[in-house]
Amino acid sequence: AQKVTQAQTEISVVEKEDVTLDCVYETRDTTYYLFWYKQPPSGELVFLIRRNSFDEQNEISGRYSWNFQKSTSSFNFTITASQVVDSAVYFCALSGTNTGNQFYFGTGTSLTVIP
Amino acid sequence: DAGITQSPRHKVTETGTPVTLRCHQTENHRYMYWYRQDPGHGLRLIHYSYGVKDTDKGEVSDGYSVSRSKTEDFLLTLESATSSQTSVYFCAISESRSLVLETQYFGPGTRLLVL
Repeated sequence: AQKVTQAQTEISVVEKEDVTLDCVYETRDTTYYLFWYKQPPSGELVFLIRRNSFDEQNEISGRYSWNFQKSTSSFNFTITASQVVDSAVYFCALSGTNTGNQFYFGTGTSLTVIP
Repeated sequence: DAGITQSPRHKVTETGTPVTLRCHQTENHRYMYWYRQDPGHGLRLIHYSYGVKDTDKGEVSDGYSVSRSKTEDFLLTLESATSSQTSVYFCAISESRSLVLETQYFGPGTRLLVL
């Protein structure tokens, strides 16, 4: 079975706080990709990062960092020193050798950063 | 940015009328997708295509049909629009390597209101 779970439906933080968005996945594939997307209030879906199942190195890009742990099937996303512009819905997604030409998306986490 | 356009961007129509949404890409990607996004439901796959004239159903395909006669164009048709098809529709494209789908890029979306 392929599944992506984002248990946090909504999160609110005060500006400059750090926040972690959780993503837990299920797959029997050994080769797969994990993704994060951002959907700001304007509505477009923006690709943030892709991670290969063979690469467990954490990634940092400015205030964004991603922690990929195969042992716990998690691919968590941390925003450091959050800003109002980070307010958006964030989606985690999965594709693999047995996902049948499809992507599996989590239901999204809505992040509100309060000034 | 991936070259994906959707037309129209906004449409208001009446129940029972046919509606066609167009997705156009300039990336020459093999895979194209149609999703709908509704509050509380995240992204739901309607149909997808894995090549010219090759299409398959997603989880919410009832009431929708698709066609792909050229690599660059993927059409979504609502044969007889209903109010339950009021939604935001996203087109997406992807490629695959080693049997795994790579990053999915999204179009800007089409807001459809069925009265």
